Amino acid sequence: SQQGEEDPQALSIQEGENATMNCSYKTSINNLQWYRQNSGRGLVHLILIRSNEREKHSGRLRVTLDTSKKSSSLLITASRAADTASYFCATDGWDFGNEKLTFGTGTRLTIIP
Amino acid sequence: DSGVTQTPKHLITATGQRVTLRCSPRSGDLSVYWYQQSLDQGLQFLIQYYNGEERAKGNILERFSAQQFPDLHSELNLSSLELGDSALYFCASSVVAGIYNEQFFGPGTRLTVL
Repeated sequence: SQQGEEDPQALSIQEGENATMNCSYKTSINNLQWYRQNSGRGLVHLILIRSNEREKHSGRLRVTLDTSKKSSSLLITASRAADTASYFCATDGWDFGNEKLTFGTGTRLTIIP
Repeated sequence: DSGVTQTPKHLITATGQRVTLRCSPRSGDLSVYWYQQSLDQGLQFLIQYYNGEERAKGNILERFSAQQFPDLHSELNLSSLELGDSALYFCASSVVAGIYNEQFFGPGTRLTVL
C-alpha cells in the first residue's frame, strides 16, 4: 500500500505565487524525500529531510517535517513556469523484510504564466 | 541528465510476449532499482540490486525478473505480458546500498501491451 499520500492531488497557481504541497505517511521513518517529475520523464531528487530535522531549505524550496503528525510539506516560493510538474514525497521503510522507498500519489502542479 | 540510461525508450508489443528492458547506472553507482509507474498504481518499487546481488524486492510479479551484470548494468525481463503491464518502467541508481540517499532516475521505458 502507498506509504505517502500527497495533498492536494492537483494545484494551479499564478506565476510568482507560492505553492504548498503536503504529504502524509503512516509508519515511522528515517528520512523523507521529495522528487519532481516532468510529464512522462524520470524523477529528479529535490531534497531529503531526516527524521530529526524539522525544516530544510534548498534555493526556493522549503521542506518541513512533523514526525508527531506523520506529515511533511513542500513549499515552492516565487513559482516559475518551469516548476510545472508532479511532485512526489518518498518515505523509507520496511516491507516483509525488504528495505524500500515508497512514493506517494503525487501532486500535479501547474504554474499559469 | 541524471547519467542513468535506459533502452529502449518505447516498446510496443502484444499480450503473451516477453521483453527485456535495459538500464545502465551512473558511473560509480552500485545500486540499481526498478520501478513501475502506471495511472492506477502510481509509482511502485519492483526490485533492487546492489553490486550484482538482489537486495530488496517489492511488488514484483513472478512473471517479471531482473539481474545485474558484472559491469553493473541491469536488465528487467517481463514475460507473458498482459494488458495491465502497460506502464512506464524506471530504473534508478545510487552509490550505496541503503535507501537513505537520493536516487538518480533514468528517462524510463514506456511499455505498451496491445
